[in-house]
Amino acid sequence: GIQVEQSPPDLILQEGANSTLRCNFSDSVNNLQWFHQNPWGQLINLFYIPSGTKQNGRLSATTVATERYSLLYISSSQTTDSGVYFCAVEDNFNKFYFGSGTKLNVKP
Amino acid sequence: GAVVSQHPSRVICKSGTSVKIECRSLDFQATTMFWYRQFPKQSLMLMATSNEGSKATYEQGVEKDKFLINHASLTLSTLTVTSAHPEDSSFYICSARHGFGSPLHFGNGTRLTVT
Repeated sequence: GIQVEQSPPDLILQEGANSTLRCNFSDSVNNLQWFHQNPWGQLINLFYIPSGTKQNGRLSATTVATERYSLLYISSSQTTDSGVYFCAVEDNFNKFYFGSGTKLNVKP
Repeated sequence: GAVVSQHPSRVICKSGTSVKIECRSLDFQATTMFWYRQFPKQSLMLMATSNEGSKATYEQGVEKDKFLINHASLTLSTLTVTSAHPEDSSFYICSARHGFGSPLHFGNGTRLTVT
């Protein structure tokens, strides 16, 4: 299967700071998604981004499929951004592979 | 749009009993649904993939007879944990997609505690 590595594993930010989360994957993929899991366990779909760049408010993401990585940018972080961010990629067989996540803690 | 409803959100049951978890796509037809299990502070572990009208495909190491999955319609899949034991206690999450190449959408998860 496809190996997915996320970095950093843990991140502590002061409110208002910016951050970049990285997702590397070991093979070509059909799709890539970024999710935020809040402290209650809910997984929120942030971006569906197999390639290119997308922005949604303070969040943006870039996927460079040819180099097998994706970046998630969080600007002006807020305490509500805390949680775990997962990257998931899909192979050619309708199967998704998840990274181990980046745990973000934004302090007031 | 693309809402996935999962029930119950929490369930406590006694050892030896069975528990059914429902996953519904509310505003789209889910040709494929996935069931995941998540241990504390870990990533999601895929248990099985179900396509509407066909048998689920289980991942290696997942007991088919313990975790029964049914995907009877394009909007409903169920996971039944049979003869539950304390080691089955976990957070179970379903996801659904409209078709190949479309994004995944997740339910809110079910926290199962077996006493």
